[in-house]
This record gives sequence, C-alpha cells and structure tokens, in this order.
Amino acid sequence: EAEVAQSPRYKITEKSQAVAFWCDPISGHATLYWYRQILGQGPELLVQFQDESVVDDSQLPKDRFSAERLKGVDSTLKIQPAELGDSAMYLCASSPEGHLEAFFGQGTRLTVV
Amino acid sequence: SQQGEEDPQALSIQEGENATMNCSYKTSINNLQWYRQNSGRGLVHLILIRSNEREKHSGRLRVTLDTSKKSSSLLITASRAADTASYFCASHSGGYNKLIFGAGTRLAVHP
Repeated sequence: EAEVAQSPRYKITEKSQAVAFWCDPISGHATLYWYRQILGQGPELLVQFQDESVVDDSQLPKDRFSAERLKGVDSTLKIQPAELGDSAMYLCASSPEGHLEAFFGQGTRLTVV
Repeated sequence: SQQGEEDPQALSIQEGENATMNCSYKTSINNLQWYRQNSGRGLVHLILIRSNEREKHSGRLRVTLDTSKKSSSLLITASRAADTASYFCASHSGGYNKLIFGAGTRLAVHP
C-alpha cells in the first residue's frame, strides 16, 4: 500500500542551527500539507501546496521557516535558525486532487536543545 | 488557528464500554472528518461526513453532524484496548480547502 514517506524520523539539533525535513507524498497526489504538532495539541497547518505552488502559508513563520516542492513531487521544510520552541512533531500529508481525505506520514520528531 | 474544539480533552473507559467524543467548529463547513493518532505516529483517516448528512456508520464507529449547532460527535461502540489513541476532528475551509484540525480527545481504554 502506498504511503507518505518522511525522513528523518527523529532529529535532535542545537538552538540556532539549521534543520531540514523531507517528505515524499503518495505518487500522483497533487496536494501536500506540512503540519506542526506540539505535544498534546492538534496539528497546526504550516503550508499547503497544490502541485509546486504554495496555496497557503499564512501560519508559516517566514522569518525562519521555508518550504519548497520543486517539480511538484517531494517537498522539503527548513528551519533556520532553530529555536527551542520549534520542538514538535512535523507531519506531512498528501491528497489526490479533488479528494478530501488526507494521508499522513509517520512524522519527524524534532528536539531543539 | 484551529477550526474545531474537541470535548472532552481526555476520556478514560473500560474495555467494552462506549466512547463518545464531541467536536464543535466555528465556520460553515462542507464536510467534517475524524482522524485517529496513535502515540508518536501519523494520523489515520477514520470517517467523513458531508454537511447534508446527519449520521454515518463505519464498523464500530458512528458519526453525527448537527450543522445548526456546528457540532459533531464520534461514538466508538464496544471499545477495545487497541482503540487507545487521540482522536481529532478536521474540516476544510478557505478557498484552497485548508484542512484544519481541532485539539483532539485523548482516549484511554483499559483492559
């Protein structure tokens, strides 16, 4: 069964360092989401792509976060510089065009020390 | 920003009992979805109910939707220890169908 792949699964980084997460959505899925989930809370949408275009990044802290989806397939989310408050689970999800259900990867657990 | 708010925040029951979780949302919706998340893992889609539906079933799951009250409920019947997880409601909003999640209900089912 096709899955959304994310790497790494776990990442520990020092404050002020750069960190990047990678997501490979299910083949053919046009919509790709990046969410941040703080422990005990619901996922918060950071950025949404439709193919290679960003259609919503209203909650993305643009001074330190960036996201790209070159060629409209896999995607990278970057944080530079990382802050202690960025410690969270970063989840990637994808959906086929016109489809309402989102398929999630296993997430990347980031700890900033 | 979060569209839905779940109630209760946490629920603890014995195996075999039913579990009911509620979700209230703020803006008009076309559909509402429920997802499950096991500890430290990604979310898994459970069920979707459209705004013109009042009730939907899937196995041991029953979802209701009351658009006049902007609320939905998820009922898990005859719960099992394996149902222990967090449950989130979610809905699409905005022009590009942003999928927005609530804060979730943490369910613990004890053997």
